[in-house]
Amino acid sequence: KQEVTQIPAALSVPEGENLVLNCSFTDSAIYNLQWFRQDPGKGLTSLLLIQSSQREQTSGRLNASLDKSSGRSTLYIAASQPGDSATYLCAVRVGTNAGKSTFGDGTTLTVKP
Amino acid sequence: GAGVSQSPSNKVTEKGKDVELRCDPISGHTALYWYRQSLGQGLEFLIYFQGNSAPDKSGLPSDRFSAERTGGSVSTLTIQRTQQEDSAVYLCASSRPGHSYEQYFGPGTRLTVT
Repeated sequence: KQEVTQIPAALSVPEGENLVLNCSFTDSAIYNLQWFRQDPGKGLTSLLLIQSSQREQTSGRLNASLDKSSGRSTLYIAASQPGDSATYLCAVRVGTNAGKSTFGDGTTLTVKP
Repeated sequence: GAGVSQSPSNKVTEKGKDVELRCDPISGHTALYWYRQSLGQGLEFLIYFQGNSAPDKSGLPSDRFSAERTGGSVSTLTIQRTQQEDSAVYLCASSRPGHSYEQYFGPGTRLTVT
C-alpha cells in the first residue's frame, strides 16, 4: 500500500525567502506525481505534474523534482510572496493507467509580509 | 473553458437522510474521481471511473456509499442513511488521456450531517 508523507506539516517564512517542501512515498513504482495548492475552503489547484520518467518540472517560480529511487519529491518555491500562503499537497499515482492517487496530508505554508 | 463543477456547494442534512452530490467534469475528460476530505485530514480516495470500464470502487467506506456516471459525463455520489462521520468536503476531479491524466478538481461540496 502506497503511503505518502509530507514534512513539515506547517512552515512560516518571511517574504522573499526561497523554500523547499518535501514529499516522500513508499512505493517507487509510480506513474506520476502531482503537486497541488489548496486555499482555505477551496478545491485543489494543480501546480506541476512529473511523469515517472522525468526528473523535474518548472513553472514560473516553482520547481518540482522527483527521485523515484529514494521515494522523494521536492517542491521549490523561489522568492516567496504572501500570495503563496496555502496548503500544498502532493499526490502519487501508482501503476500504468489513470487510477487513483494517494495524497499526503499537506504542508501549510504561511509567507509573512 | 469551464472547469469541473460540483453541486450543491454546501449541504446540511439530518442523520439518517439520503443525499446526492453531483459532479460535472470538464468536457472531453474520460476519467472522473471522487475524494473525501475530512476536517484536518488529507484526501481519501472513494471511487474512479474511466470511460466504459468498470469503476474502481475500492475506496468506498461502506455500502451506504454509491456512485454512478451517466453517459460518460456527469457523476452522482449518493450517500444513504447519512451518519455524522460522513461530514466532510467531497471533491470531484477529472482528467483525460494524452495529458498524463493530470487531475483537475472542482470546488467541492461541504456536507454537514446534524
